[in-house]
Amino acid sequence: ETGVTQSPTHLIKTRGQQVTLRCSSQSGHNTVSWYQQALGQGPQFIFQYYREEENGRGNFPPRFSGLQFPNYSSELNVNALELDDSALYLCASRSTGSRTDTQYFGPGTRLTVL
Amino acid sequence: AQKVTQAQTEISVVEKEDVTLDCVYETRDTTYYLFWYKQPPSGELVFLIRRNSFDEQNEISGRYSWNFQKSTSSFNFTITASQVVDSAVYFCALGRIKAAGNKLTFGGGTRVLVKP
Repeated sequence: ETGVTQSPTHLIKTRGQQVTLRCSSQSGHNTVSWYQQALGQGPQFIFQYYREEENGRGNFPPRFSGLQFPNYSSELNVNALELDDSALYLCASRSTGSRTDTQYFGPGTRLTVL
Repeated sequence: AQKVTQAQTEISVVEKEDVTLDCVYETRDTTYYLFWYKQPPSGELVFLIRRNSFDEQNEISGRYSWNFQKSTSSFNFTITASQVVDSAVYFCALGRIKAAGNKLTFGGGTRVLVKP
């Protein structure tokens, strides 16, 4: 186990709704990244948070937003859900500045948009 | 732009056979990280190995070994004496070496099926 937890495990929403996914990072890790993994594909980088600020973003529209809290936990918010947002959402944490610099992933949240 | 290609979509072997997974990458960075992750049916990405671009020494860790060749931009991964529990999707990933913002770029994955 990596120590990275995510909630909820599964979620079903309808098109146009908003959703919030949560991630608790591994103890000692100060950086959180979010990835979207569509069925049968590799994960795609959404964004990364370090010191409560977004410091890297992939090719995702502004309706994908996030937060990082002082305890390094994080939220991913998606507004105006579309059918193509159906995917596994993975959170990863790491310790910026450490020698290992490896991202450890949580179990993911599977989002279904109907 | 960074890109990772895993040409093999699916590999099927019988238990105890060796399995080699191919990975080819593209990057303009002179230093970078390469990773292999395993994704079992449960969905969680499990970290397996990491290699720094400035260290081309190939190693063996238990039943896992890897062959990193910077000249051909390849980072192949071998499972020796495969077991049924090795059945999963394996992802090769490329990471940037920066203090922050080092996203991972993943390949499309290779599904490995180990039959008893």
